[in-house]
Amino acid sequence: AQSVTQLGSHVSVSEGALVLLRCNYSSSVPPYLFWYVQYPNQGLQLLLKYTSAATLVKGINGFEAEFKKSETSFHLTKPSAHMSDAAEYFCAVSLSGGGADGLTFGKGTHLIIQP
Amino acid sequence: DAGVTQSPTHLIKTRGQQVTLRCSPKSGHDTVSWYQQALGQGPQFIFQYYEEEERQRGNFPDRFSGHQFPNYSSELNVNALLLGDSALYLCASSLPWGSQRETQYFGPGTRLLVL
Repeated sequence: AQSVTQLGSHVSVSEGALVLLRCNYSSSVPPYLFWYVQYPNQGLQLLLKYTSAATLVKGINGFEAEFKKSETSFHLTKPSAHMSDAAEYFCAVSLSGGGADGLTFGKGTHLIIQP
Repeated sequence: DAGVTQSPTHLIKTRGQQVTLRCSPKSGHDTVSWYQQALGQGPQFIFQYYEEEERQRGNFPDRFSGHQFPNYSSELNVNALLLGDSALYLCASSLPWGSQRETQYFGPGTRLLVL
């Protein structure tokens, strides 16, 4: 069975500062990894995904994530935070590629942007 | 291109009642997955439907059942509602095969409150 751990239920950064949201996974097979964002009272929007191609993945809104097999990590970063980035972020894993498999989500990290 | 749609947006029920939630997948998608997101938690996979059959199921009791129609839309039914069933219910659609099969697209959710 696979699992996801997101370190830090809340992360606070200043506007313009680096954003780093941590995600570690557990999987018995090479995983598919995802980051989703959820704004208040809305569904989930896909930020980016890792599907065993390039280990550095670029997503929407300036976010990127790096797959590190040796560390079983898939941390999400953004060089310069914007007020509009304030939201809940979820890391997720699947084994067979999501479309044919349910996603396993972490508990989420609430990103707070200080002006 | 219409995204995933869900109805109703909000619902209030009392314990012991039954509820039906509805989902229309993104255009061209034929696989529908349902998730339960309790307050402050990440989404949890309930089940997935493909070709009108339940293909995969998470750790949810039989009170949770579903259906998929020939037009790929889907329903989630919950019987004998408990207070703990209060949550945001998310529907996601995807392609089971092909280069983008790993990506699940989420709807805005139905917020269920059980009193």
